[in-house]
Amino acid sequence: EPEVTQTPSHQVTQMGQEVILRCVPISNHLYFYWYRQILGQKVEFLVSFYNNEISEKSEIFDDQFSVERPDGSNFTLKIRSTKLEDSAMYFCASKRRDGNYGYTFGSGTRLTVV
Amino acid sequence: AQSVTQLGSHVSVSEGALVLLRCNYSSSVPPYLFWYVQYPNQGLQLLLKYTSAATLVKGINGFEAEFKKSETSFHLTKPSAHMSDAAEYFCAIRGGSQGNLIFGKGTKLSVKP
Repeated sequence: EPEVTQTPSHQVTQMGQEVILRCVPISNHLYFYWYRQILGQKVEFLVSFYNNEISEKSEIFDDQFSVERPDGSNFTLKIRSTKLEDSAMYFCASKRRDGNYGYTFGSGTRLTVV
Repeated sequence: AQSVTQLGSHVSVSEGALVLLRCNYSSSVPPYLFWYVQYPNQGLQLLLKYTSAATLVKGINGFEAEFKKSETSFHLTKPSAHMSDAAEYFCAIRGGSQGNLIFGKGTKLSVKP
């Protein structure tokens, strides 16, 4: 069964450093998403991406965040200057097309900012 | 705006007992509702979804959920719990113009032998 692949599974970074979280969505999917889950809290939407541009973003997704699909297969989330409160599990998800089909989520990247 | 509320952050059942995880929703438009399961150190796996077809939705691993508009509920059930069902379960509703999901806080299910 096709999978969404996320790397790394765990990343530790110093506060103020830039991090890039990587995702490889399912190849024929067109809609891409990032979500995050702070430990013990609910999963929160960050951003959606379609047709090579951001289609929607939450208020969490401020100027410190950016997304990119640099080569047609990878989908990345960049945090420019990490803060302690960015520590969370970050999930990438994709879906084939619009409609009500369930997303496919990756296994997540646990980001720890120290 | 859409939202979901999951009642009970932790539910414990005995193996073989009925599993009932509660989810209530709020939506100004006909909702599309989902249940996801998260096993330890893993991602979110879709259990089932409601997309305005049948109100009783069957999912994987023997789970099902019933959409009740009058009660604004979408509770998840399984007749007989198995040890392997121990996980965290999230109810979600489709929101936004691009179909992003709005999740509940999750319910951690423990299964006792």
